[in-house]
Amino acid sequence: GQNIDQPTEMTATEGAIVQINCTYQTSGFNGLFWYQQHAGEAPTFLSYNVLDGLEEKGRFSSFLSRSKGYSYLLLKELQMKDSASYLCAVTDSNYQLIWGAGTKLIIKP
Amino acid sequence: ETGVTQTPRHLVMGMTNKKSLKCEQHLGHNAMYWYKQSAKKPLELMFVYNFKEQTENNSVPSRFSPECPNSSHLFLHLHTLQPEDSALYLCASSRGGSSGVNEQYFGPGTRLTVT
Repeated sequence: GQNIDQPTEMTATEGAIVQINCTYQTSGFNGLFWYQQHAGEAPTFLSYNVLDGLEEKGRFSSFLSRSKGYSYLLLKELQMKDSASYLCAVTDSNYQLIWGAGTKLIIKP
Repeated sequence: ETGVTQTPRHLVMGMTNKKSLKCEQHLGHNAMYWYKQSAKKPLELMFVYNFKEQTENNSVPSRFSPECPNSSHLFLHLHTLQPEDSALYLCASSRGGSSGVNEQYFGPGTRLTVT
């Protein structure tokens, strides 16, 4: 079967760095997405990786290793507004998105 | 504001009612999606429309009936729902096709409670 694993919840301190991991087993691979979802709001697109390596976008970076079926989202200089759920999703060989359950990130002052 | 709107934002209905959820996208996209989001579970894809044609139905019970009159509008008709159908229903759209980055843009969702 197809599976996306990510931690259920993480806690970090304002100003610090946090890494949210995602591992996947899917039938084929055509890219990996990270989305952010604040409580009561819609998920919003953060990043897309299809080749191995690190993609940096401001305070957020996303890394992919296709051989390991692994990705992480790195958030630097954490702000209180970064408290949200972070969803990992993989596009399979049929170009369908397979979603993880999300990681709830709690930022403490 | 993502360019995808959903109405109503909140809905409470009894198990014998019939109601409809509406989604509209202003992004010129060709693909639209219905998802169900329950607490602490992955997003569950329900239906996919590409160029107004339904291309995916993930074994969704017949009490959920989608309708896509054009590429900008998507409806989800509900009837004789069960309490376990209570969830956040999200609509999304994307450019469509199978190449390149095809990120989905989500509406704010409809919080549905079945009593």
